[in-house]
Amino acid sequence: DIQMTQSPSTLSASVGDRVTITCRASQSISSWLAWYQQKPGKAPKLLIYKASSLESGVPSRFSGSGSGTEFTLTISSLQPDDFATYYCQQYNSQFSFGQGTKLEIK
Amino acid sequence: QITLKESGPTLVKPTQTLTLTCTFSGFSLSTSGVGVGWIRQPPGKALEWLALIYWNDDKRYSPSLKSRLTITKDTSKNQVVLTMTNMDPVDTATYYCSHIPNSYVYYDYWGQGTLVTVSS
Repeated sequence: DIQMTQSPSTLSASVGDRVTITCRASQSISSWLAWYQQKPGKAPKLLIYKASSLESGVPSRFSGSGSGTEFTLTISSLQPDDFATYYCQQYNSQFSFGQGTKLEIK
Repeated sequence: QITLKESGPTLVKPTQTLTLTCTFSGFSLSTSGVGVGWIRQPPGKALEWLALIYWNDDKRYSPSLKSRLTITKDTSKNQVVLTMTNMDPVDTATYYCSHIPNSYVYYDYWGQGTLVTVSS
């Protein structure tokens, strides 16, 4: 099984900050990685697929990069609506998720 | 517009079998590349992929839960059904169904989720 490890588990930041979340795969997954945003009591929302493709309707301040085993999600300028938990998910083999990164207001 | 909605019991007893139904609209499960997946999330914990079914009836299961899961589809009713046997309190979670837009398994539309509690 491919294990997905996100870091950090919790991130404190302020509105306007640039933040980066990292996701590492236990083996190469090429670019088969998606990122989701989840708010309390809500279903996850797709942000990025194929490592760097922005889902339709998602603000351009979100971007993804990486390939192989290391990936990043970057929010260029945090907005109040961005405070949430973020998950990566690989779809190279089976379809495992990372453990999540909670983005908190500093 | 694609929508999905999960339905089923909110409370099941240990050892019982859980049956969840995902009823969807806005797409057809007979369209090439399309699929529906099930994901769960225990309270306060991470997402866990369970199973998925493709338009061609190809099915995939989480290796750790494969012996307990069955996924089926009824294309005429626009429904996908997930059964999980031998339920345990650790299976308490919100269960989501979701749309897979092509043969690459990421999820672009999600149901609202249904909380299933396993308790005697």
